[in-house]
Amino acid sequence: RKEVEQDPGPFNVPEGATVAFNCTYSNSASQSFFWYRQDCRKEPKLLMSVYSSGNEDGRFTAQLNRASQYISLLIRDSKLSDSATYLCVVTSPPSGGSYIPTFGRGTSLIVHP
Amino acid sequence: DAGVTQSPTHLIKTRGQHVTLRCSPISGHKSVSWYQQVLGQGPQFIFQYYEKEERGRGNFPDRFSARQFPNYSSELNVNALLLGDSALYLCASSYPQGTTEAFFGQGTRLTVV
Repeated sequence: RKEVEQDPGPFNVPEGATVAFNCTYSNSASQSFFWYRQDCRKEPKLLMSVYSSGNEDGRFTAQLNRASQYISLLIRDSKLSDSATYLCVVTSPPSGGSYIPTFGRGTSLIVHP
Repeated sequence: DAGVTQSPTHLIKTRGQHVTLRCSPISGHKSVSWYQQVLGQGPQFIFQYYEKEERGRGNFPDRFSARQFPNYSSELNVNALLLGDSALYLCASSYPQGTTEAFFGQGTRLTVV
């Protein structure tokens, strides 16, 4: 089983739609969780951190379910500019003194008019 | 403030050659990580350095090596290049290491022919 798994998609949705992505992780001791956004041929950029209590940033809501070991990202009122790949990142406890972020393969979102 | 800077942005090398990629972290960041991203996949962890010491190593062959300098900049070296080394190489800096969000440079796109 991969450490971090995501459905690669693509998710093809119309403008205004609500779309949700899930990501599962295998290490129950994982400590930090993030969603990154990556545009085509660009570097990943932090979208939001994910907290146990859940957090919201405008149209974006992230949730963490430690019992089931998954995190989710909900995008409401999709915009054309939301088209990108969304990467799930999980950071596991120190191994040799280092917290290592592990990336999922990413979920591709295409928002069409 | 300058973000993470990487050089060169693009590079074409021949099989068997050696390559050196460079990264300057955000000012004040002491941790630098290197990732390899092939098309259609998420970034794969190669190395993490903190305070000039290697703190983590991913599942890459010994042809890959790195170091961090007193000013916290870093180099990634790859020897005996293979066609499969063609990828986007990303550098990320964070403070202090791993658990906080990582900030990526624009990457070096390496093509091995």
